[in-house]
Parts: sequence; C-alpha cells; structure tokens
Amino acid sequence: AQSVTQPDIHITVSEGASLELRCNYSYGATPYLFWYVQSPGQGLQLLLKYFSGDTLVQGIKGFEAEFKRSQSSFNLRKPSVHWSDAAEYFCAVARYSSASKIIFGSGTRLSIRP
Amino acid sequence: DVKVTQSSRYLVKRTGEKVFLECVQDMDHENMFWYRQDPGLGLRLIYFSYDVKMKEKGDIPEGYSVSREKKERFSLILESASTNQTSMYLCASSGGSSGNTIYFGEGSWLTVV
Repeated sequence: AQSVTQPDIHITVSEGASLELRCNYSYGATPYLFWYVQSPGQGLQLLLKYFSGDTLVQGIKGFEAEFKRSQSSFNLRKPSVHWSDAAEYFCAVARYSSASKIIFGSGTRLSIRP
Repeated sequence: DVKVTQSSRYLVKRTGEKVFLECVQDMDHENMFWYRQDPGLGLRLIYFSYDVKMKEKGDIPEGYSVSREKKERFSLILESASTNQTSMYLCASSGGSSGNTIYFGEGSWLTVV
C-alpha cells in the first residue's frame, strides 16, 4: 500500500538559512510525487511535482526537490528562506493509474526565526 | 491557471441543520474531491467523483453525501450537521491536461454549534 511519511512535525529555521523538509514514501512502482504548501486558513498550493525524467525538479517560490529512488525520498529544499515561507508543507504520492489514490503526508509546519 | 472556487469560506450552522458546501472548477477536470482537514489528522478524503453523477466513497464518508450534476460543480452535503463535523473542508480537482495533479480551493471553515 502507498504511504507517505513526513518525520518532522515542526521545524524552525532562521531567516536566510537553508531549508530541507523530509519526505519518505512507500510505493511499489515509480510514483507521482508532489509538494504542496498551505498558508494559515488557506487551501493547498502546488509547489512542484515529479512524474519522470530529471530527478531534481524546480518549483515555485525558489523551492526544489530531489527524487531519490534508492532512499524512497523526495525531500524539499530551499537555499535561503524568507519570513513569508512560514506555512505548512505537505508531501503527497499518487499512482499513475488512479486519480483518487493520492496519499498525503501529515505535514511539516515551518516557522521562521527573525 | 486552474481555479477551484468554494463559494463559502466561513459558515456557522446549528446541530441538525442540512448544510451544502459548493465547489466549482473552471478547467474541465473530470475528477473532483472533497477532503476534510483537522489538526493532527492531516487531509482525509470524504468523497471522490470521476465523472458527472459518478462518485466513490473515500476514507470517511459517514455523515456526508455528494452531488455532481454538472462536470464543473461538486457539492458536499451534510444531511444533519453534528458538532464533530466542525472542520476545514477542502475541494479539489484534477484531470485533463493536468493529469494526476490535484488543485485545491481555498477551503471552507464550517463550525457546527
């Protein structure tokens, strides 16, 4: 069965510092992988996605993520965070053949230290 | 850009009331979803629709029903609202040229008193 694990519930990073949010998935074949961001009281916004090809994908707002099949990971990174990046981040995995079978991680809340 | 619009952002309803949450998408997506989001529980799928008048139960369908009479519109219905249905409800859609990418609305905060 598919599953997604975001091991960090809450992370605090200083403004200007680099960021890495962890995501591990369990799925038998090549998955579709996503990162979403949710600002307080808002819906989820797609940051980036991986379907195939280059394992380093670029997203909006300066974020990138790297698919590592050997580690079953899809970690999200940003070289220098801004106070506006404070939000909740969700990793998700989907099967190609079924639009309904997208599984979300439990989320990582990011706080920014001034 | 894909736009998923939830007509009500904030609602307060009384226990036992019938509640309708409306969602419209403008990208001709065949798939539409209703999720519920609660602190510590993440996103849980209530219902999913893959075509007009077609639906599938998600992980937590009890106490909810849905309606999809037109492709662009997907309604979530609480037949008799209860306080444990106080939550944030998220509508989403996918399909067409977007493939498996799910696009979300802004969410509807429902409080049942």
